[in-house]
Amino acid sequence: AQSVTQLGSHVSVSEGALVLLRCNYSSSVPPYLFWYVQYPNQGLQLLLKYTTGATLVKGINGFEAEFKKSETSFHLTKPSAHMSDAAEYFCAAYNTDKLIFGTGTRLQVFP
Amino acid sequence: DAGITQSPRHKVTETGTPVTLRCHQTENHRYMYWYRQDPGHGLRLIHYSYGVKDTDKGEVSDGYSVSRSKTEDFLLTLESATSSQTSVYFCAISAYTGSGTEAFFGQGTRLTVV
Repeated sequence: AQSVTQLGSHVSVSEGALVLLRCNYSSSVPPYLFWYVQYPNQGLQLLLKYTTGATLVKGINGFEAEFKKSETSFHLTKPSAHMSDAAEYFCAAYNTDKLIFGTGTRLQVFP
Repeated sequence: DAGITQSPRHKVTETGTPVTLRCHQTENHRYMYWYRQDPGHGLRLIHYSYGVKDTDKGEVSDGYSVSRSKTEDFLLTLESATSSQTSVYFCAISAYTGSGTEAFFGQGTRLTVV
């Protein structure tokens, strides 16, 4: 069965530091991959997605992610964290009709 | 937001009572999903539908049933609510946007079982 693993349920960074949130998927067929963000008491907002083509995907708010088939990874990065980036981030994979999520990573940004 | 509306947005119910949550979409998307969100578990798929009267189980389907009698509505029923079903429930649709498939979510329903 397809699964998505997010390493680290909590990540803390200083404002201006690099953000790296890790995501690995397990699938014999590379799925479509997504990162969603959820701010407190809100729904989910799409940050970026990989379907086919270029493996480096740019999203909103300065985030980007790179699809690495050999590592079955889709890590999310941002060069410089802002206080407004504090939220929960979910990696998800879509394959054979189902969208499966990881358990989420809560990002804290300190001044 | 792909025209997705969940109702009710908040509900408190007693253990043992049946509860139905409604997801309504306005754009005739084929695929619809119900998830529950719990701390430490992310979003877990309960049931999904790939057409009218076509549904299938997700990873946490026990205690839940669904129905889809028309394209626009996907109902989630807790047959006999338990405290373990206290959660936030999200409905989603998947749609092809021209740059690939993407999921769109409703605003969620916060259910408390007391």
